[in-house]
Amino acid sequence: DVKVTQSSRYLVKRTGEKVFLECVQDMDHENMFWYRQDPGLGLRLIYFSYDVKMKEKGDIPEGYSVSREKKERFSLILESASTNQTSMYLCASSFDSNYGYTFGSGTRLTVV
Amino acid sequence: KNQVEQSPQSLIILEGKNCTLQCNYTVSPFSNLRWYKQDTGRGPVSLTIMTFSENTKSNGRYTATLDADTKQSSLHITASQLSDSASYICVVRNGATNKLIFGTGTLLAVQP
Repeated sequence: DVKVTQSSRYLVKRTGEKVFLECVQDMDHENMFWYRQDPGLGLRLIYFSYDVKMKEKGDIPEGYSVSREKKERFSLILESASTNQTSMYLCASSFDSNYGYTFGSGTRLTVV
Repeated sequence: KNQVEQSPQSLIILEGKNCTLQCNYTVSPFSNLRWYKQDTGRGPVSLTIMTFSENTKSNGRYTATLDADTKQSSLHITASQLSDSASYICVVRNGATNKLIFGTGTLLAVQP
């Protein structure tokens, strides 16, 4: 089975800190995605990547950046964390658009 | 407008009973529709993926239906178990942009 591993289940950070959320997949998938999930809202796409060194903005990229130096690893960076970035962050990978996405277990980030 | 709406928002049923969750969408052009199960504090796990030509797909006690003419899908759970307690999310892919549009989910609680 494909495994998508997010490095932290829970994180608490202070306003203004730089935050790194790490995601690693073990099935050689080309496509990787970062979403955030908030109560009452569907998952919203922050950034995605279809290849190493490649990145594309999703629907809500403001305040975030990403890094994909290796195929298996896709990092989400909060340049200067703010309280409105408190959320559940989900990483996903897929083989191609016709296959299901495999999600990680999520990182619940609280910014205080 | 590309939207996915799910009903009901929440549902409580007794163990052993059946239930049906609804998903209506306006996403166009349609590519495929997915149902995910998300346990509390976890990432979503794929249950089924359906394309335009498929109108029924089963995965164990889960059966998804799709009516592409009326743009409706349902997820039927047979002989519910306590472990079925979760949020069920309907996701539609836009065939032009390849973007996934997520519903906000139906929260199912199965009680003994």
